[in-house]
Amino acid sequence: DVKVTQSSRYLVKRTGEKVFLECVQDMDHENMFWYRQDPGLGLRLIYFSYDVKMKEKGDIPEGYSVSREKKERFSLILESASTNQTSMYLCASSVSPDNSPLHFGNGTRLTVT
Amino acid sequence: GENVEQHPSTLSVQEGDSAVIKCTYSDSASNYFPWYKQELGKGPQLIIDIRSNVGEKKDQRIAVTLNKTAKHFSLHITETQPEDSAVYFCAATSSNQAGTALIFGKGTTLSVSS
Repeated sequence: DVKVTQSSRYLVKRTGEKVFLECVQDMDHENMFWYRQDPGLGLRLIYFSYDVKMKEKGDIPEGYSVSREKKERFSLILESASTNQTSMYLCASSVSPDNSPLHFGNGTRLTVT
Repeated sequence: GENVEQHPSTLSVQEGDSAVIKCTYSDSASNYFPWYKQELGKGPQLIIDIRSNVGEKKDQRIAVTLNKTAKHFSLHITETQPEDSAVYFCAATSSNQAGTALIFGKGTTLSVSS
């Protein structure tokens, strides 16, 4: 079974802090994604990557950046955390270019105070 | 870009009844339409998917239908059980020069009461 592991289940950070959300997958997938989930807004794509060193903006990239130094690891970075970035963050990976299927981690609940 | 609308946002049914969730999409180039189920405290998991060259697909109590002309697709759950209670998301592919990503609907919270 594919396993997508997000390093933290819960995080509490202060406004202005730099925050790293880590994600590792164990199935040698080329494609990795970061979504955020908010009540009533569903899952919104922040960034994605189809290869090491490669990254593409999704629908809501503002305030975020990403790093993919190794194939199995995809990090989401909040350069200066703000309260409106309090959310559930979901990492996902897939082997196929059309994302079928997409394998999700269990999420990181980030609270920015 | 792709826009996916999902209805209803909440759905309550009695055990044994059927449940239907509907989605519409905007990008006529979309060709892959998966459905995900998210249980409390977990990430979404794929439950069924359909491609644009197929009109209907079934897997036991779950079925998905696709109408490409109208740009809508639906999830049908028959003989619902309490363990079907969860949040369900539809999605459609969105492609540009960078590649392909899934765009999700806003989700439907299904409650099945016994």
